[in-house]
Amino acid sequence: SAVISQKPSRDICQRGTSLTIQCQVDSQVTMMFWYRQQPGQSLTLIATANQGSEATYESGFVIDKFPISRPNLTFSTLTVSNMSPEDSSIYLCSAVGGGGYEQYFGPGTRLTVT
Amino acid sequence: GQNIDQPTEMTATEGAIVQINCTYQTSGFNGLFWYQQHAGEAPTFLSYNVLDGLEEKGRFSSFLSRSKGYSYLLLKELQMKDSASYLCAHNAGNNRKLIWGLGTSLAVNP
Repeated sequence: SAVISQKPSRDICQRGTSLTIQCQVDSQVTMMFWYRQQPGQSLTLIATANQGSEATYESGFVIDKFPISRPNLTFSTLTVSNMSPEDSSIYLCSAVGGGGYEQYFGPGTRLTVT
Repeated sequence: GQNIDQPTEMTATEGAIVQINCTYQTSGFNGLFWYQQHAGEAPTFLSYNVLDGLEEKGRFSSFLSRSKGYSYLLLKELQMKDSASYLCAHNAGNNRKLIWGLGTSLAVNP
């Protein structure tokens, strides 16, 4: 299994600003994903972070709002741009390593936009 | 299309057995996953079934029937710490992207 850390663990941000969330994995992984989860709800996939190329976004999510970087096989960032209160949520990164299919999750970033 | 259903809430008693069902519809299938998520924490991987049958792992077992599009998670000898949300997910393609159910909130009572 992979051990995943995220920074920051939580933040309170003002409307109109941007926040970049970092995700670090302790080993090289094949795939990395970014999710959003509202309290009491299930996971919503934002995008697949592709190493060395543009992320693949799910329906309803666009690069201008959620730019993603993945410069190498162990690190990715998600930026939440021009934030509004509707962006308040928990943001989670996950990774799939080696030949496996199971995803392992970071501890999440709790974002509150005021 | 791709769809995945599981009960919203379940309640059980400490020491008992509970079965959480999950049904799915998909045009492609590469495995069925169960995750546990305690309130305020990230999901943790419990099990992965890709072939039909029962996989046992301590107090937790997971079953899959691909022909019926059906899986269940069986929790034995329930403990209070098993109170959590249990998420069913399936992998529908080769990109390792998961399709997630809405989760079943399990409350274990003394």
